[in-house]
Amino acid sequence: DSGVTQTPKHLITATGQRVTLRCSPRSGDLSVYWYQQSLDQGLQFLIQYYNGEERAKGNILERFSAQQFPDLHSELNLSSLELGDSALYFCASSRTAGGSTEQYFGPGTRLTVT
Amino acid sequence: AQKITQTQPGMFVQEKEAVTLDCTYDTSDQSYGLFWYKQPSSGEMIFLIYQGSYDEQNATEGRYSLNFQKARKSANLVISASQLGDSAMYFCAMREMKDSNYQLIWGAGTKLIIKP
Repeated sequence: DSGVTQTPKHLITATGQRVTLRCSPRSGDLSVYWYQQSLDQGLQFLIQYYNGEERAKGNILERFSAQQFPDLHSELNLSSLELGDSALYFCASSRTAGGSTEQYFGPGTRLTVT
Repeated sequence: AQKITQTQPGMFVQEKEAVTLDCTYDTSDQSYGLFWYKQPSSGEMIFLIYQGSYDEQNATEGRYSLNFQKARKSANLVISASQLGDSAMYFCAMREMKDSNYQLIWGAGTKLIIKP
């Protein structure tokens, strides 16, 4: 158990809908990262927050947004969903904003868009 | 351009044998870091080992070691005495600085299957 929690574990929704994925980092970790893993592919970095502020942006679509709250939990909002958004979405956390600190991953949220 | 290359999409290895998973990387940074993660069929990502570009010794963590060859830009993961529970996807990732922030760039992964 990495100490990172993600809810829900599974989500099935229809095209055009909007969903919110939630992540709670490990106790004491200030950085939260969001990744997308499509079927049989590596991870694509979406976005990073550090202590409530957006720190880095990867290949995140404009239909997606995220935020980190004062209690350090984070939410990833996906809107106008398309079939291609079906993927495993991971949240990871680390103590600092980067460097040699490893990232600890949550169990992921499997999103299926039908 | 591909920054992290894992050339082995899949590997079969006999239980108890050692296995080497290849990873080559491309960066012009002097300071960078290399990570290996394991993803079992259950889906979670498990951190295995880290190597910093200035580390003189190869990193080791239990049965995992990282064969770091800086001049060749390779960071291969070596698993000694493989076990059935080692069957999983393995991802190599590189920390690089982009726009004044660190990001992890991921390889496509290698699917390792340990045969009894």
